[in-house]
Amino acid sequence: AQSVAQPEDQVNVAEGNPLTVKCTYSVSGNPYLFWYVQYPNRGLQFLLKYITGDNLVKGSYGFEAEFNKSQTSFHLKKPSALVSDSALYFCAVSFSGGYNKLIFGAGTRLAVHP
Amino acid sequence: DGGITQSPKYLFRKEGQNVTLSCEQNLNHDAMYWYRQDPGQGLRLIYYSQIVNDFQKGDIAEGYSVSREKKESFPLTVTSAQKNPTAFYLCASSRITGGDNTGELFFGEGSRLTVL
Repeated sequence: AQSVAQPEDQVNVAEGNPLTVKCTYSVSGNPYLFWYVQYPNRGLQFLLKYITGDNLVKGSYGFEAEFNKSQTSFHLKKPSALVSDSALYFCAVSFSGGYNKLIFGAGTRLAVHP
Repeated sequence: DGGITQSPKYLFRKEGQNVTLSCEQNLNHDAMYWYRQDPGQGLRLIYYSQIVNDFQKGDIAEGYSVSREKKESFPLTVTSAQKNPTAFYLCASSRITGGDNTGELFFGEGSRLTVL
């Protein structure tokens, strides 16, 4: 079965420190991987995606993610966290032949402390 | 500005009543989606549509209905048959390219439904 796992409900980071939000997936076929961010009572905003090519993907607001096929992971990273990065982060996957079916993880709440 | 508009933002409903949530997009996207968000459960797909006058059930379609009479509009009706309708509902749209979902979803701001 196709699935996405975000193993941490919450990640706490001090401002200025690097942050990582973890995501692993299980799909048949080639995965298409996405990260979205959600601020309170708002819709989701697209951050970045991996479709093919370079395993390191750069996105909005200084975020990046690395596709690791052997570990079936797509962790979200940022070298230096900001308090304004505090939000709910969702990893999502679709797959070749899985026409328009995007599967979301449960979300990870990122809290960046001053 | 291009985007997706959902209305109303907040809605209260008595048990046994149907309610319709509006979703309009001016992005000229072919595909539209409805998701339900509950705390700790991420987003679950209710219905999606790839073309006008056609739509498919998602993972939790029971108790919901949709229509797609126009490309820009994809309203969701939460019927009295939905056992636990209190939730945050998100509408989204995307381009369709080459038959695979490689395009990102654009989301509306959501509608919060509370059943009293």
